[in-house]
Amino acid sequence: DAGITQSPRHKVTETGTPVTLRCHQTENHRYMYWYRQDPGHGLRLIHYSYGVKDTDKGEVSDGYSVSRSKTEDFLLTLESATSSQTSVYFCAISGQGNYGYTFGSGTRLTVV
Amino acid sequence: AQKVTQAQTEISVVEKEDVTLDCVYETRDTTYYLFWYKQPPSGELVFLIRRNSFDEQNEISGRYSWNFQKSTSSFNFTITASQVVDSAVYFCALSEAVWDNFNKFYFGSGTKLNVKP
Repeated sequence: DAGITQSPRHKVTETGTPVTLRCHQTENHRYMYWYRQDPGHGLRLIHYSYGVKDTDKGEVSDGYSVSRSKTEDFLLTLESATSSQTSVYFCAISGQGNYGYTFGSGTRLTVV
Repeated sequence: AQKVTQAQTEISVVEKEDVTLDCVYETRDTTYYLFWYKQPPSGELVFLIRRNSFDEQNEISGRYSWNFQKSTSSFNFTITASQVVDSAVYFCALSEAVWDNFNKFYFGSGTKLNVKP
């Protein structure tokens, strides 16, 4: 049991369409994060959550929104996908007794 | 502002060679945490080590060792007797002071290590 799952694993979408990525955890951790990974940039924080309905922006939040209606789910939405949002998206969790992050397996998103 | 620099974009070595991956960080915080993660070709991110700013002891775990030097703001990672399975992208990351295990990470751009047989 991975404790954290992302869906979908791969997605191809067209420019201008909305896209939602899902992160689901079974660890009951308080904190959840969305990062994007791009060559030459490492991972950059998009948004994070410190509890149900409590979210905040990271360093590359433009064009993204998030929601967390339950402890276990953290959704990342691209309101109108652009080619610059083609990336690999990682969800992560942290909480009591967890040093550092546990990462999901990633979602590879291609915007054409 | 926090920043992590991994100047080595890609390194190639032959199996059994030792290799050091460099990591230099910038922060104004007096309390902070440094991490190394491994990303093998399969794509997942694997936690390797966490070090807090008050603990400058070097650490060794099998073939892996880490050298933390606050004087030079560096947290370098050495693999001794490298193996093909060590081929991966390695990320160094800096976290602001942690409370209640909340971590806001700043990642370096990563170093791709190729270990050839």
